[in-house]
Amino acid sequence: KQEVTQIPAALSVPEGENLVLNCSFTDSAIYNLQWFRQDPGKGLTSLLLIQSSQREQTSGRLNASLDKSSGRSTLYIAASQPGDSATYLCAVRLRSNDYKLSFGAGTTVTVRA
Amino acid sequence: NAGVTQTPKFRVLKTGQSMTLLCAQDMNHEYMYWYRQDPGMGLRLIHYSVGEGTTAKGEVPDGYNVSRLKKQNFLLGLESAAPSQTSVYFCASSYSTGLVDNEQFFGPGTRLTVL
Repeated sequence: KQEVTQIPAALSVPEGENLVLNCSFTDSAIYNLQWFRQDPGKGLTSLLLIQSSQREQTSGRLNASLDKSSGRSTLYIAASQPGDSATYLCAVRLRSNDYKLSFGAGTTVTVRA
Repeated sequence: NAGVTQTPKFRVLKTGQSMTLLCAQDMNHEYMYWYRQDPGMGLRLIHYSVGEGTTAKGEVPDGYNVSRLKKQNFLLGLESAAPSQTSVYFCASSYSTGLVDNEQFFGPGTRLTVL
């Protein structure tokens, strides 16, 4: 069974600092990995999706890396802003024909102005 | 496009009552999913559907039933609600797994409390 872990559970940083969020998974034979953002009381918004053949994906200030062999992905957010305060979740899909996403519990980020 | 919508947004039930949560998507997605999210845990898959008229069990299906009579709608039913079903419920949809990305799009959630 795929286990997905996100440590730490919560993080507080001053505005302008770079954010580093970690995601680890036990089964390295993944098909893809997705990072989501969740605002309080809201649904999930997809940020980045990395295929197993890729090592990183970038979108604006966001960069996600993937190291399948070590079972890790890292989400970097450059020059954090108070608007980046949210919970960030990662989810992995094992196979191309698999419907199921295995989610981590998330890291709640607070960016202090 | 509205994307994925869920009805209702909030609901309070008494133990033993029944209710149906409605999910609708306007992206012509084949696949639809129901998840629940509990504090300190990731989202867990309850049921899913790979097309109109088909449904299947996910990780935590007990106490729930689903129906997919139309491609754009996916209903989640609780026949006899229990306090353990207090949770936030999310619906999601995606294209079929035949496409490379198969990104899942989520609705805003339904916050359910069972007293």
